[in-house]
This record gives sequence, structure tokens and C-alpha cells, in this order.
Amino acid sequence: GAVVSQHPSWVICKSGTSVKIECRSLDFQATTMFWYRQFPKQSLMLMATSNEGSKATYEQGVEKDKFLINHASLTLSTLTVTSAHPEDSSFYICSALGLSQETQYFGPGTRLLVL
Amino acid sequence: AQSVAQPEDQVNVAEGNPLTVKCTYSVSGNPYLFWYVQYPNRGLQFLLKYITGDNLVKGSYGFEAEFNKSQTSFHLKKPSALVSDSALYFCAVRPSGNTPLVFGKGTRLSVIA
Repeated sequence: GAVVSQHPSWVICKSGTSVKIECRSLDFQATTMFWYRQFPKQSLMLMATSNEGSKATYEQGVEKDKFLINHASLTLSTLTVTSAHPEDSSFYICSALGLSQETQYFGPGTRLLVL
Repeated sequence: AQSVAQPEDQVNVAEGNPLTVKCTYSVSGNPYLFWYVQYPNRGLQFLLKYITGDNLVKGSYGFEAEFNKSQTSFHLKKPSALVSDSALYFCAVRPSGNTPLVFGKGTRLSVIA
């Protein structure tokens, strides 16, 4: 099946620093990737939709200048949390749309803790 | 508005018994329907999907789901539950094209030995 990886799997950083999370589709090309955020015991909240070679589309309430998304190739999308603060601590999950454009495959997630 | 409802926050079932996790949706047109499972501190794993065709869909790990258009439901089922099935289950719908999935709030399944 289609595999999506994320790196790092967890990260601890100081308040004010920036953190970059990578999302890769390992065995397929993904023109569309999605970034989600999940709070404890809650469902996934869509942050943005990323299309290769174009600007990401952000959901309402998500600060595009704080959560920078780059989808430079058909197998890589990155999310950079800029000037992170403790309230940005969360579980971030990426997802890639498979070749059939039917199924979204999810990465294992990245847990971010901002001190 | 498009939405997915999972009416049960928690489902408890004894090992070996059949299990059902309920899902209903409200989406216009002919949506794509999905079930995913999430284990602690992990991403979502794809279980099965309904796009078109036979209303009964079989997926991974012995799970199946039945699409019922008149009731706008897509309940997840398994004939015999395992303790290892204990996890968080999400129902999701894609309204059309390459639009992102709309998720239910999730149902925590606990299988008791």
C-alpha cells in the first residue's frame, strides 16, 4: 500500500524557535497533500491543502504566516511552525492523496512540544 | 453543510463478539466514504472505502462496512472482535474530487478479553 512518512516523529523546542516537519510519499507521487492538527482525544482539524508547485490553501483561522507550507515536489511537503509558542504544541499529521485521487494516506504524525 | 456523525464516543465489546461502530453522513451528491483507525501516538491507517458498486465493502484486518444510501450510513463491522482492535476509529467522507476529507469526531473501541 501507499506509504507516507513524517520526520521528525517528535520534537521539543524552545519558545520563539522555528520547527520544520517533513512529509514524504515514499512509493507514489502526490500532487495534493494535507496538513492536520490533532488535539488530545479530538478529531483531526484540517489546517491546509497543499498542491505541488502552487501556494497552499489555508483553512479559516489558520495563520499562513505562522504555519508555512511548501510543496516543492511530488513527494515532499513541509510544514514550518515559525516562532513557535507553547500553544502550538500539538500532534501534526500530514496526508497525501493517492494516484487514484480517491484515498488519503496518512503519515505517522509529529508530536511538537514547545517549552 | 457537509458533516459526519459518529454518535458513540466509546464502544465496549467482549473479545470474540461482533462489533459495530456507527457512522452517518450529510453530504450532497455521491460522496466517497472511508474508515480509518488510529493507534496511540500514531497517524491514521486506512481500513476501507466505498466509492461505488457493492454496498458491502471489505477491508483490512477483517473489517467491513455497509453503505446504506437511504439511511446515509456507513457503519463499520467485524464479526469477531480482537483485543488488538482496541483503538480510535474515524469515519470520513470526501464530498467530491480532490477535496479534503471531512472527519467524524471518532469512536474509541475497547475490546475486553
